[in-house]
Amino acid sequence: QSALTQPASVSGSPGQSITISCTGTSSDVGAYTYVSWYQQHPGKAPKLMIYDVNNRPSGVSNRFSGSKSGNTASLTISGLQAEDEADYYCSSYTSSSTQVFGTGTKVTVL
Amino acid sequence: EVQLVESGGGLVQPGGSLRLSCAGSGFTFSNYWMSWVRQAPGKGLEWVANIKQDGSEKYYVDSVKGRFTISRDNAKNSLYLQMNSLRAEDTAVYYCAGGGYSGSSPLVYWGQGTLVTVSS
Repeated sequence: QSALTQPASVSGSPGQSITISCTGTSSDVGAYTYVSWYQQHPGKAPKLMIYDVNNRPSGVSNRFSGSKSGNTASLTISGLQAEDEADYYCSSYTSSSTQVFGTGTKVTVL
Repeated sequence: EVQLVESGGGLVQPGGSLRLSCAGSGFTFSNYWMSWVRQAPGKGLEWVANIKQDGSEKYYVDSVKGRFTISRDNAKNSLYLQMNSLRAEDTAVYYCAGGGYSGSSPLVYWGQGTLVTVSS
């Protein structure tokens, strides 16, 4: 049950696109399409942004998109905005019937 | 409006016990799997445990197996986490979360969290 691996930080200028990777194993990310992404602003509860690899819940901007290839999932934020500055976490269902989160990525808008 | 409200956090000595509660409203609590997720100060999210709609299936992260027990009371729209043999490394904000129909579902609804501090 090791955490999924994410880059510690990613930055971009307003209007640019950034991509956050999330690397797991053949027992979690590689085995299922049950990958989610969460956004967390300081002092707040996490918010679901993407589920089942590339689906957006109602109300989430279409600037957020997800994908997966093999054991690595990715979150892309296009048209970066100041409000996107936050921590982002991926998560995956696992072969042990548990869930596991990523290590987290701090997104900075320059 | 969907609400999840956690309670029961506080300061406890190493080796002690604590019971967290989570009250749900604004949605049909009994329809969904529910989870506990924790976040140590300044650290990332860690999934702790989840429970099926009828309580018949429960899963835990290895680090809490045998010490923590998740349960629910659908009549009271409530989720619980009984924490025994607490360690310093259990210090975290504990979030109640859920909203999916299966154990693989994403965590749609989240509470604001309750802080548990394990220290002498």
